[in-house]
Amino acid sequence: GDSVTQMEGPVTLSEEAFLTINCTYTATGYPSLFWYVQYPGEGLQLLLKATKADDKGSNKGFEATYRKETTSFHLEKGSVQVSDSAVYFCALPAGAGSYQLTFGKGTKLSVIP
Amino acid sequence: DAGVTQSPTHLIKTRGQQVTLRCSPKSGHDTVSWYQQALGQGPQFIFQYYEEEERQRGNFPDRFSGHQFPNYSSELNVNALLLGDSALYLCASSFELLYGYTFGSGTRLTVV
Repeated sequence: GDSVTQMEGPVTLSEEAFLTINCTYTATGYPSLFWYVQYPGEGLQLLLKATKADDKGSNKGFEATYRKETTSFHLEKGSVQVSDSAVYFCALPAGAGSYQLTFGKGTKLSVIP
Repeated sequence: DAGVTQSPTHLIKTRGQQVTLRCSPKSGHDTVSWYQQALGQGPQFIFQYYEEEERQRGNFPDRFSGHQFPNYSSELNVNALLLGDSALYLCASSFELLYGYTFGSGTRLTVV
């Protein structure tokens, strides 16, 4: 089935630093791609999504561009805040027509003042 | 507009017991999926319910079963609990997968 490979953490950054979390995917076709965020003690929240190649998803200062040439969907933010400390998951449908989301292992981000 | 509601938030069970977890989907959503998230891991798909039927199932044993009611709410049942079943169980609802799931905050199950 389709899968994602996500950079492993943990990642520790100082406030206002630039963030990149790498995600590459293996898929037949061009599936929708998602980034989810999980704050401590909570469930997952959809952060952003892209439904086709070259789409850019954005939300709360985070961005990710769907790049079919490199099969990537890297998450970026220009200036992180302490409140961005969380675990970030890249995800895609498990296969064409699948109702199942396949998640990466997650990247824990800690932002220090 | 309430999101996805799960109950209980935490529970502790003894090995060999049975447990039932509950989920109310977001208003307007008709599809409910269940995921298991072990500590430090990404969520793993258990199954999905639509129109009161199990539409798709992940790689979980038959000890895991579910139900969806006419009001779209759902239950996850786990029989003969094992220590390895200790995890955060997440319910997610959706109308169209294209738009992404809405997740609940989860039920933390501890098996002792």
